[in-house]
Amino acid sequence: SQQGEEDPQALSIQEGENATMNCSYKTSINNLQWYRQNSGRGLVHLILIRSNEREKHSGRLRVTLDTSKKSSSLLITASRAADTASYFCATAPNDYKLSFGAGTTVTVRA
Amino acid sequence: DADVTQTPRNRITKTGKRIMLECSQTKGHDRMYWYRQDPGLGLRLIYYSFDVKDINKGEISDGYSVSRQAQAKFSLSLESAIPNQTALYFCATSHTEGLLPRDYGYTFGSGTRLTVV
Repeated sequence: SQQGEEDPQALSIQEGENATMNCSYKTSINNLQWYRQNSGRGLVHLILIRSNEREKHSGRLRVTLDTSKKSSSLLITASRAADTASYFCATAPNDYKLSFGAGTTVTVRA
Repeated sequence: DADVTQTPRNRITKTGKRIMLECSQTKGHDRMYWYRQDPGLGLRLIYYSFDVKDINKGEISDGYSVSRQAQAKFSLSLESAIPNQTALYFCATSHTEGLLPRDYGYTFGSGTRLTVV
């Protein structure tokens, strides 16, 4: 069974706007990770946030983690056409086997 | 060359045939994984291996088997393919340092698109 669930399932924004997507999970975790997948290709690791961290930045990406609510968010600022992709959250419980959500499909319109 | 290479990239096979998907990596990672991806379902773990002598079933291992031939090679076999095994298959790797995995995320291959007719 999947640990994480992303919301929304799909998101369409104008170039230059910010994109926010959320992830909720069920059990305790060691860390939470976000991945990007361009159409039918392999997943690319974007960012990892540990369970004792609340916020992390990497370039135009900002991730938050609220372990009390078992939720995370990924913000992409100043979106570009190249950000069009599916985004997955993945949770790592104490055995470190990643469990993936179904993903959020982001479309950035020119 | 890619860090994680999967072969073949695409394969069409008939119901009942045995098929093997191969994965090799140059990352030097000890942990390797096989996932399948179906539309709307995300990725589901089929098998994983923490080292050459340690192989474990994931959440959907029925109908699949694996072989870890070396630290760098991890192959997935479908013993008798059936149409509902049509999916995109991914191999991934991660690294363990000491007793704990390094928190650097997984490295994925480009995937094998398998169609069973």
